[in-house]
Amino acid sequence: AQSVAQPEDQVNVAEGNPLTVKCTYSVSGNPYLFWYVQYPNRGLQFLLKYITGDNLVKGSYGFEAEFNKSQTSFHLKKPSALVSDSALYFCAVRGRSNTGKLIFGQGTTLQVKP
Amino acid sequence: GAGVSQSPSNKVTEKGKDVELRCDPISGHTALYWYRQSLGQGLEFLIYFQGNSAPDKSGLPSDRFSAERTGGSVSTLTIQRTQQEDSAVYLCASSLDEDEQYFGPGTRLTVT
Repeated sequence: AQSVAQPEDQVNVAEGNPLTVKCTYSVSGNPYLFWYVQYPNRGLQFLLKYITGDNLVKGSYGFEAEFNKSQTSFHLKKPSALVSDSALYFCAVRGRSNTGKLIFGQGTTLQVKP
Repeated sequence: GAGVSQSPSNKVTEKGKDVELRCDPISGHTALYWYRQSLGQGLEFLIYFQGNSAPDKSGLPSDRFSAERTGGSVSTLTIQRTQQEDSAVYLCASSLDEDEQYFGPGTRLTVT
């Protein structure tokens, strides 16, 4: 069965510091991996994806993520956090053989303090 | 261009009533998905459409839930005889085949 784990319910970081939001996955075969962000009372916004190729993926708003096959991880990172990055972040996976449905982690709240 | 739109944005209904939730996907997107977001269950997949067909309905929680898509565009999610546990935010997403999914703002359903 496919699954995604985000081990931290909340991550706190000071503005200007680097941030990491962790994600590990379990899927048969090679995965498609995604990060989405959700601001209060809004839908999910796509940040970035890994399909194939370079393990370091760059996305919107200065975010990037590193695909690590041996550790089955896809951690989200940003070199310098902004207060406006404070939101709920979801990691998601889909298998290459399934119908495209996304399996989401439980979400991690990122709090960036000035 | 226009993103995914959903209506209504909020819906309050009495237990036992039927509700219809609408999704307008991004023009040209062949795939359409419904998800449900609730505090206790997180984000759950409900159903997937490719064109007007639904090859994956595995996430529909009971036979009270149904969905259709017409003209390869608009989709309607219907919940019959609503129960309090149906209260959640219902999210619709669309995509071009295997690309990333773009989500609408959601419909917040409250069953009283």
